[in-house]
Amino acid sequence: DVKVTQSSRYLVKRTGEKVFLECVQDMDHENMFWYRQDPGLGLRLIYFSYDVKMKEKGDIPEGYSVSREKKERFSLILESASTNQTSMYLCASSFWPANEKLFFGSGTQLSVL
Amino acid sequence: SQELEQSPQSLIVQEGKNLTINCTSSKTLYGLYWYKQKYGEGLIFLMMLQKGGEEKSHEKITAKLDEKKQQSSLHITASQPSHAGIYLCGADLGSGGSNYKLTFGKGTLLTVNP
Repeated sequence: DVKVTQSSRYLVKRTGEKVFLECVQDMDHENMFWYRQDPGLGLRLIYFSYDVKMKEKGDIPEGYSVSREKKERFSLILESASTNQTSMYLCASSFWPANEKLFFGSGTQLSVL
Repeated sequence: SQELEQSPQSLIVQEGKNLTINCTSSKTLYGLYWYKQKYGEGLIFLMMLQKGGEEKSHEKITAKLDEKKQQSSLHITASQPSHAGIYLCGADLGSGGSNYKLTFGKGTLLTVNP
């Protein structure tokens, strides 16, 4: 079975902390994505990566950065967490070319206090 | 305004009833994906439609793509409690049908009462 694994299911952090969300896929996918999901706003793309060390901004990259040092791992970094970054974060991956279906992880519910 | 509108926002049906969820785009649809999400979990892929007029089925779920209307519909026949969840449509509204920047609808919450 294909798998996209997110390191934490629930996470509670303090304002100003640096936060790392990790995502690992075991399908040798080229593309990886980070979304956040909020009630009333739906799913929004933060960043995506189509190759190792390559990254592209999505619709809401402000306050976030990403790292992809290895093909299977894509990290989302909140440099200085703020309360408005409290959200459900979803990682996804897919094969290239880019019209293949996305496989999603189970999500990380992040609360910033 | 929302680029991908889903209707209805929520739906409560009795087990065994049929239902339809719609996804309407404000821009040309190059391809459309349907996903299902259990509360608090990740998204599970259901179907991908790439051509106008295309129709796909999986078990009791059928999806169609109407390119002219810029709309897709998801139909569930004889609903069961296992169908309950949030249904989301996603599409590339840029060019070429890539999944690099999928736009998602806000989802339709389906409740199926036994």
